[in-house]
Amino acid sequence: AQRVTQPEKLLSVFKGAPVELKCNYSYSGSPELFWYVQYSRQRLQLLLRHISRESIKGFTADLNKGETSFHLKKPFAQEEDSAMYYCALTSGSRLTFGEGTQLTVNP
Amino acid sequence: KAGVTQTPRYLIKTRGQQVTLSCSPISGHRSVSWYQQTPGQGLQFLFEYFSETQRNKGNFPGRFSGRQFSNSRSEMNVSTLELGDSALYLCASSSAFTGGGETQYFGPGTRLLVL
Repeated sequence: AQRVTQPEKLLSVFKGAPVELKCNYSYSGSPELFWYVQYSRQRLQLLLRHISRESIKGFTADLNKGETSFHLKKPFAQEEDSAMYYCALTSGSRLTFGEGTQLTVNP
Repeated sequence: KAGVTQTPRYLIKTRGQQVTLSCSPISGHRSVSWYQQTPGQGLQFLFEYFSETQRNKGNFPGRFSGRQFSNSRSEMNVSTLELGDSALYLCASSSAFTGGGETQYFGPGTRLLVL
């Protein structure tokens, strides 16, 4: 069975500090992995997906198949990055989400 | 392109009633998925429809059902409502021609409260 784990429910950093949101997964095949973000009072939206290898809003994520991880990183956090972040993997058309990490960036 | 829309946005029902939620996907998208979001269980997959056929189903009881119309709009129905059905119900659409891996775009959700 597929599973996504985000070990930190809450993460707080100061503006300008590096940030890393952890994500581990279990999946028997080759996963398609995503990070979704939900800003306050906004809908869930795609932040990035691993196959595109893009950097969105300064965030990057590297798929480590050996450690089955897909951690999200940003070198310098901004206050506008405060949001709920969800790691997810897809099996066919079905997204399996982690529990989410609430990131707060303090001024 | 207009985003995914969901109606109604808020709903209050009592136990035992049934409810129907509606979702209009992004133009050109033929896949619609439904998710339930609760504080305790997080985001859970309900089912997915593609070209009017249910293609994938999550682990929810039969009280939860859905359908898709020829214009790709989708509805989900919950019968015999229970208190535990109180949640935010999210709809997502994708092009999903290959049945997997495509980005899903989410609607704002319908918040259902069961009293």
